[in-house]
Amino acid sequence: GENVEQHPSTLSVQEGDSAVIKCTYSDSASNYFPWYKQELGKRPQLIIDIRSNVGEKKDQRIAVTLNKTAKHFSLHITETQPEDSAVYFCAALTRDDKIIFGKGTRLHILP
Amino acid sequence: ETGVTQSPTHLIKTRGQQVTLRCSSQSGHNTVSWYQQALGQGPQFIFQYYREEENGRGNFPPRFSGLQFPNYSSELNVNALELDDSALYLCASRGDRGSYNEQFFGPGTRLTVL
Repeated sequence: GENVEQHPSTLSVQEGDSAVIKCTYSDSASNYFPWYKQELGKRPQLIIDIRSNVGEKKDQRIAVTLNKTAKHFSLHITETQPEDSAVYFCAALTRDDKIIFGKGTRLHILP
Repeated sequence: ETGVTQSPTHLIKTRGQQVTLRCSSQSGHNTVSWYQQALGQGPQFIFQYYREEENGRGNFPPRFSGLQFPNYSSELNVNALELDDSALYLCASRGDRGSYNEQFFGPGTRLTVL
């Protein structure tokens, strides 16, 4: 069946440095890729998304890139801040209209 | 916060019991999806409803069932509860099927099965 793989499962970066989280997807027909941030005890919040007709999208310190040929997409956070500490999930919209999630990356921003 | 709400916030049940969880979607959102999120894991897709009909199901047994109502509310029912059903249950709503509309989550119901 369809699945989304996410790496790494845990990531620690120094405050001010960049963080990169990578995902791969199996359904070649997937055409929409959202990213969610989940803080402890809270619901997942949509932070950025990308559609298959573009290769990159940026929103302030957050950017997402998509390589459809390789079925890879990545989240890039620059100039990380303490409030970026959270669990991040990538997801993909499958051909049968389901949004399925990766297992998550726990991001720690070190002082 | 999003316009998606869920009730109850927390629930404790014993093995073998049945439970009903409720969700109110954002107004105008015809698609509602339910997810199970175990501790430290990503949301696992249970099933999805579009205009009151189930139109997608994940790898969950039939004792997980649902309903969607015309007023943008929906239910997740779980029969014969097992210990492994303990998790955060999230509903999420979005716009028309096949569109790129963003999906927004409710706050979740934390279910504990003893």
